[in-house]
Amino acid sequence: KQEVTQIPAALSVPEGENLVLNCSFTDSAIYNLQWFRQDPGKGLTSLLLIQSSQREQTSGRLNASLDKSSGRSTLYIAASQPGDSATYLCAVMDSSYKLIFGSGTRLLVRP
Amino acid sequence: GAGVSQTPSNKVTEKGKYVELRCDPISGHTALYWYRQSLGQGPEFLIYFQGTGAADDSGLPNDRFFAVRPEGSVSTLKIQRTERGDSAVYLCASSFLSGGAAGELFFGEGSRLTVL
Repeated sequence: KQEVTQIPAALSVPEGENLVLNCSFTDSAIYNLQWFRQDPGKGLTSLLLIQSSQREQTSGRLNASLDKSSGRSTLYIAASQPGDSATYLCAVMDSSYKLIFGSGTRLLVRP
Repeated sequence: GAGVSQTPSNKVTEKGKYVELRCDPISGHTALYWYRQSLGQGPEFLIYFQGTGAADDSGLPNDRFFAVRPEGSVSTLKIQRTERGDSAVYLCASSFLSGGAAGELFFGEGSRLTVL
């Protein structure tokens, strides 16, 4: 059974810092990995999608990497801003096309 | 519409009542997913449809939960004899799945269910 773990559960940083969020998964047989952002009381916004054949994806200040063989992904946020404060969720699509989520990392960027 | 639409956004009901939650996916998306999210947790998979058929319903917690997608577009999640433990945000997502190619999932804003 696929399990997804995100570390840390919560993170507080001053504005301007570069930061890394970690995601690990137990079964390397995945189709893709997605990173989402969730603001309080809102739905999920897709940030980056990495197909299983890819190693990384970039969008603006965000960079996500994927090491399928070791079951790990990282989301790198450069020059963090208070508007980046949210919960970040990692999810992997398993061999039956189900997207399995971690519990998320709650990020607070202090002005 | 341009995105995934879910109604109602909020539903308060009494224990034992029947509830329906509706999801209108992105036009042209073949796959539709239902998830449940409790406070402080990641979304938990319930069921997904490819076209009109339920491709995987292994996440439905018990037989009080049922979902349909009769015409391959709009889906309804039905909960019978609601219990307080059913209180959560129910999220719907859609994606384009074709020939084994797995696409990006796009989520709606969710339906917050409160069972008193």
